[in-house]
Parts: sequence; structure tokens; C-alpha cells
Amino acid sequence: DAKTTQPTSMDCAEGRAANLPCNHSTISGNEYVYWYRQIHSQGPQYIIHGLKNNETNEMASLIITEDRKSSTLILPHATLRDTAVYYCIVRVANTGNQFYFGTGTSLTVIP
Amino acid sequence: GAVVSQHPSRVICKSGTSVKIECRSLDFQATTMFWYRQFPKQSLMLMATSNEGSKATYEQGVEKDKFLINHASLTLSTLTVTSAHPEDSSFYICSASRGSGVSRNEQFFGPGTRLTVL
Repeated sequence: DAKTTQPTSMDCAEGRAANLPCNHSTISGNEYVYWYRQIHSQGPQYIIHGLKNNETNEMASLIITEDRKSSTLILPHATLRDTAVYYCIVRVANTGNQFYFGTGTSLTVIP
Repeated sequence: GAVVSQHPSRVICKSGTSVKIECRSLDFQATTMFWYRQFPKQSLMLMATSNEGSKATYEQGVEKDKFLINHASLTLSTLTVTSAHPEDSSFYICSASRGSGVSRNEQFFGPGTRLTVL
């Protein structure tokens, strides 16, 4: 079962930062936070993941609270192509461990 | 790198027939592959975990005799929907994980297969 809670939908103006929250209050000490997104009728795309430190890559930044019970994915300058469903997933970082997807947040970037 | 392909991308079949969907990791060896199903406006639901050379592990409520999974090599897993019915119409997505030894271990997803059963 999914162990995360996300808002159902969000809007963001093009060019502005999109901040997508995720609650994972029951996260275990060895579980990572992963973010994926799914553009309509495509397979999910990996964005970023982290354990406890904040992470940044070419796509986004991940901010994890000190108690690790929540996190925020930040898209610094949202474009229309960022319109997608964003999934926050927690799992142990091991090859065999499954991903259980929650309902995700449908982000709409508005021109 | 880390590309996963699926074939076919779209299939329409008659009720009662069987359909095979292939999932390939194109540039890496996938020790574990996963199969998901996604109905319209819903999230991805994990169906089964497939390890190369061994039997797949099915999630609760997924019929193993209806959804046959074969993971014959480190780059290929197949899902066969047997005796398909209209309620099996869905978007089927596979994913693959690379071997251990790297800290990322994210799953790489295929583009999905749209199955329509008439």
C-alpha cells in the first residue's frame, strides 16, 4: 500500500516555481523518498530521490524535513511541458523492493 | 542510458483470446522487472514482480493463471493476458531495475501498452 499523501491537484503559472508537497509520516529509517511524474498515456519518468539530505538535479530539487515525515518537490521554473501527474513514493533503495503508487498530484502549468 | 521498451504499444483483441506484451531493457541488464496496470484516471497498480530465472511474485488479488509472466533473460520479461475479457482493457506498464551496487536503484519505466478487449 502507498505510504504517502499528496494533494489531488495543483496549478502553477508558467515560469514560476512549482512546489509539490508530500506527507509520509510513517516512513522508516531506511526508506528513500522517490519522485516520478507521468505525462498522459506515457510511462512514469524518474525525477529525483533522497534519504534525508536535500537533493538537486537538472530537473528539480527535493526538500526533506528534518523529521523526514514530509517532503517537497520543487520545479524551479515550470513550463507547459511539466504538466503531469507527480507521484511521491517511499521505499527501501534495493533492487527488489516494489514501488507502490499513491494517487499523485495532477499539476497543471498555466500559460 | 537505462531505456525500457514495450511491444506492442497498442493492441486490440477479441474477448477470449490471449495477448502477449513484451518488456525489454535495451541498454542494461534488469535483474528485476515489474508489471503494473493502470485504469483511466487512476494510479498505477503493481501486479507482479518478476525475477530472472524464477517464478513471478504476484500482488494480492492478481490472478497468476490469468496474467502469465515469464522473465527468461536479463533483458526480457513478458506478460500474457490469457482469455482476455473487456474488463482487462487497461494500460499495462513495465519497469526494470538495474543490478545492485548503485545507490540509486530507481525503476525505469516502459512507455506502456494500451490493451483494448472487444
